[in-house]
Amino acid sequence: NAGVMQNPRHLVRRRGQEARLRCSPMKGHSHVYWYRQLPEEGLKFMVYLQKENIIDESGMPKERFSAEFPKEGPSILRIQQVVRGDSAAYFCASSPGQIEETQYFGPGTRLLVL
Amino acid sequence: AQRVTQPEKLLSVFKGAPVELKCNYSYSGSPELFWYVQYSRQRLQLLLRHISRESIKGFTADLNKGETSFHLKKPFAQEEDSAMYYCALSRSGGSNYKLTFGKGTLLTVNP
Repeated sequence: NAGVMQNPRHLVRRRGQEARLRCSPMKGHSHVYWYRQLPEEGLKFMVYLQKENIIDESGMPKERFSAEFPKEGPSILRIQQVVRGDSAAYFCASSPGQIEETQYFGPGTRLLVL
Repeated sequence: AQRVTQPEKLLSVFKGAPVELKCNYSYSGSPELFWYVQYSRQRLQLLLRHISRESIKGFTADLNKGETSFHLKKPFAQEEDSAMYYCALSRSGGSNYKLTFGKGTLLTVNP
């Protein structure tokens, strides 16, 4: 089992561009979580998805950010019109279920906005 | 609101010395506490959780509800313990998937 995969590992964007971050959960996992880690900060929960459903997006900024987990393919975190403050590490985690299940983390995507 | 505080950004000890990484939390309900570790060039991984009461790689952590602490301890540190350690909290029961992390402590074990 290759574990949670994220790509790209590093992403550079100019202000105003779009950033698309991909996450493939571990085999057999149907629950995906996205976290953001700003410089010098801890990871902060953004969104929790199951296949084709957003379960909890309480940690997502109200504008420019969206997430999906389609029936086929990876989960996508999309940031439109990026600003310098979006520069951060974005981590994806997955679990087989929800209740008291360990979350397995991917290696993260480091986004740098110039 | 839930919050996790790790007061030490950096901690340096010598091999064989005891180590304690501090974690304090604030949460009005009944929390579940975790320690995650990230070794150099590796991904974040779960080290231990308080409900399992396990000792992993010689590390233990006891939940002290009176002091709202969940300090991580090891009696004899090893060089391979050098890593970034994050304390995390979630609520027990519903919405327990939402982890809140501290800022982390970078542990360096010197030979």
